Amino acid sequence: ETGVTQTPRHLVMGMTNKKSLKCEQHLGHNAMYWYKQSAKKPLELMFVYNFKEQTENNSVPSRFSPECPNSSHLFLHLHTLQPEDSALYLCASSPRTGNLITEAFFGQGTRLTVV
Amino acid sequence: DQQVKQNSPSLSVQEGRISILNCDYTNSMFDYFLWYKKYPAEGPTFLISISSIKDKNEDGRFTVFLNKSAKHLSLHIVPSQPGDSAVYFCAASHLNDYKLSFGAGTTVTVRA
Repeated sequence: ETGVTQTPRHLVMGMTNKKSLKCEQHLGHNAMYWYKQSAKKPLELMFVYNFKEQTENNSVPSRFSPECPNSSHLFLHLHTLQPEDSALYLCASSPRTGNLITEAFFGQGTRLTVV
Repeated sequence: DQQVKQNSPSLSVQEGRISILNCDYTNSMFDYFLWYKKYPAEGPTFLISISSIKDKNEDGRFTVFLNKSAKHLSLHIVPSQPGDSAVYFCAASHLNDYKLSFGAGTTVTVRA
């Protein structure tokens, strides 16, 4: 248990569906992240939020829409996804001390399958 | 452009022997390096890190070595145990940037 909780753990959705992934951390961290892990590929950073403000959008298609209502919660809204979007989506958080990054804490991930 | 590379997708080692995992990076601005361990159906968990001012950091059975001139780091696990069987990710970041760049991972299997 790392203190970062993701729901749901598994999700199967059709290409016309709208769904949301949820991430929650109560570690007092200031930064939150969405990563995508496809098979045999590096973890790909998707979005970064720092103090609830989006500071990074790593050229992610608009069918993925993040939301950070407060520093403890992060959502990823999904709509009209493609089968190639099937992957493990990982949320992470980290404390920020100035510009120094320390280790990020990851949730268990949501295994997404788009059919 | 992949800035962190783990060229060995898998490694098999006998229990009790040493596991050596390698990682190369291309961005000379990276100054902080981390190793994560990931079991199936779980998120990655932090294992050990090293900053560029050091060339070695040790924590129990885990030691990370950094060779800045070669842009290379390695993780040594000794002795290897069955519970070490997992995917190991190398990651890097640099000051003034809070993003982590990850390698593709190395799957370690420790044989009894």
